[in-house]
Amino acid sequence: DAGVIQSPRHEVTEMGQEVTLRCKLISGHNSLFWYRQTMMRGLELLIYFNNNVPIDDSGMPEDRFSAKMPNASFSTLKIQPSEPRDSAVYFCASSPGQGLRPQHFGDGTRLSIL
Amino acid sequence: GESVGLHLPTLSVQEGDNSIINCAYSNSASDYFIWYKQESGKGPQFIIDIRSNMDKRQGQRVTVLLNKTVKHLSLQIAATQPGDSAVYFCARNAGNMLTFGGGTRLMVKP
Repeated sequence: DAGVIQSPRHEVTEMGQEVTLRCKLISGHNSLFWYRQTMMRGLELLIYFNNNVPIDDSGMPEDRFSAKMPNASFSTLKIQPSEPRDSAVYFCASSPGQGLRPQHFGDGTRLSIL
Repeated sequence: GESVGLHLPTLSVQEGDNSIINCAYSNSASDYFIWYKQESGKGPQFIIDIRSNMDKRQGQRVTVLLNKTVKHLSLQIAATQPGDSAVYFCARNAGNMLTFGGGTRLMVKP
């Protein structure tokens, strides 16, 4: 079975550029989570969706960050304009969303902003 | 406040020995706990979970123990293998969200 699929795996770009990270959920899952991982702050929840609707975006750092679910199986996280402090590994996770079930993570996008 | 934390940042064990990784939590309303394993360059991988109405759950070579009295969670790995080398995270799930501990790095010596 295919797990959560993220793309690209690595992204290097100059500050000020727009960055778009992509995530495909596990089929049948209806909750989607975006995380950021750094050495200093560990794993931080940025935003989560349930049935395509954003439920909690309190972890989104600032207005430069936005996330969407154009359909039930796909999500994007966009940073515009990007800054060096945005450099991190960004993970997407999905879960069935019903009851107490674990989240399943993709392998992340390693983002470097120069 | 609500937090999930780890006691030891690094654990080094001999191959074949048992490993114990610990985690403390502060929110007594926590009802579901998960252990994840993260290898270099990969995302956290689900290992085992436990609900608050249980105090022990076993998987293949892994056992999770939950002590609600002292708000403590542990992951035991039997006969640790080199492939077990990774960072291990405990997480608390309340509703649909996860709160992660800081992680413990397990190093297996051959």
